[in-house]
Amino acid sequence: EVKLLESGGGLVQPGGSLNLSCAASGFDFSRYWMSWARQAPGKGQEWIGEINPGSSTINYTPSLKDKFIISRDNAKNTLYLQMSKVRSEDTALYYCARRYYYGGYFDVWGAGTTVTVSS
Amino acid sequence: DIQMAQSPSSLSASLGGKVTITCKASQDIKKYIAWYQHKPGRGPRLLIHYTSTLQPGIPSRFSGSGSGRDYSFSISNLEPEDVATYYCLQYDNLLRTFGGGTKLEIK
Repeated sequence: EVKLLESGGGLVQPGGSLNLSCAASGFDFSRYWMSWARQAPGKGQEWIGEINPGSSTINYTPSLKDKFIISRDNAKNTLYLQMSKVRSEDTALYYCARRYYYGGYFDVWGAGTTVTVSS
Repeated sequence: DIQMAQSPSSLSASLGGKVTITCKASQDIKKYIAWYQHKPGRGPRLLIHYTSTLQPGIPSRFSGSGSGRDYSFSISNLEPEDVATYYCLQYDNLLRTFGGGTKLEIK
């Protein structure tokens, strides 16, 4: 079964940092582009960025480029999101998603991990 | 960025009925739109891609249509398990953007 499982969410103070992980199973992780997205309370989904299989190309939504870093470890079948300089507006459910092999949409999502930014 | 204006934000319909959700893009997205079903505690579930192509295993009660800037998504013969929030996603542009979501309730 194809699965994505996010972890690492929690409470973080404003200005702090947090690292999220996404463990993949049931497919050849090393062949797929992977993305992070988030959904703030009461708002729609927001795409954060994506990374190609070899980590040579990483695309971000421009407004988040300076505070989030996406990386991956294909040997561990794991995707990462490093969050820094967080603010209250970064409070959200964070999802990892697999990009369909032949297209730009996302065909598999994890259930998400919650990040709360508060003092 | 391509903006996706999704409407309505919520709706209520009867069992066995039909609902339609629309997404209007701020520019032509050449049919590169997908639709998702999202239930609390789960990840979004892909229903349709490229405007009208159903994912394997998705019932034909779900359908999509449209072109240019205007797209719609419909569910017919509503069942209790259709209660969820539905989102559109445009993937014509590298900077993928979602509609604001439609919360569906069953009367």
